Amino acid sequence: KAGVTQTPRYLIKTRGQQVTLSCSPISGHRSVSWYQQTPGQGLQFLFEYFSETQRNKGNFPGRFSGRQFSNSRSEMNVSTLELGDSALYLCASRASGSRADTQYFGPGTRLTVL
Amino acid sequence: KQEVTQIPAALSVPEGENLVLNCSFTDSAIYNLQWFRQDPGKGLTSLLLIQSSQREQTSGRLNASLDKSSGRSTLYIAASQPGDSATYLCAVNQAGTALIFGKGTTLSVSS
Repeated sequence: KAGVTQTPRYLIKTRGQQVTLSCSPISGHRSVSWYQQTPGQGLQFLFEYFSETQRNKGNFPGRFSGRQFSNSRSEMNVSTLELGDSALYLCASRASGSRADTQYFGPGTRLTVL
Repeated sequence: KQEVTQIPAALSVPEGENLVLNCSFTDSAIYNLQWFRQDPGKGLTSLLLIQSSQREQTSGRLNASLDKSSGRSTLYIAASQPGDSATYLCAVNQAGTALIFGKGTTLSVSS
């Protein structure tokens, strides 16, 4: 089975712009979670989608949003980019959405905000 | 609020040495704990998942233990190799389905 894929792998944007990142989970997986990784804060949870519904949300401002499509692919959007949004954005999928399931991570999208 | 701590932040060992990475968490009410490996600039690779009812899990040269009551987990790596060089992260699953991560231990194994 193919692993979790994320596109694009690298992005450079300027402050004030918006960006959309994409994640394709492992085939058959219905849950997709997003995480932000920075050197200072480490890995922080953004949100989780299961069967097209947001099931859980981390402590991030409303500029961060996401959605999930019927094929389980997910997108996250960041509007009005700030310098502090520069980070590695990782998505993870799991089969049933149960906490007992292992989460499988993609390679990430490296976002640089200038 | 759950906090996950990993000590040491960095570790250097010669090839062949057995080593232990530590992870501690402040709230013992966890559902499970997962260990990951991250290579520079890459995503996370799941190594071991320990459910709260389990005491340990093994995969090849890796053994992870969990002591929920004391809020501790260890990852034991036997006969370390240069290819084991990476950052190792532990994460706990508490309420909901979000993982709470430690900052990681960066391991360097020299040949």
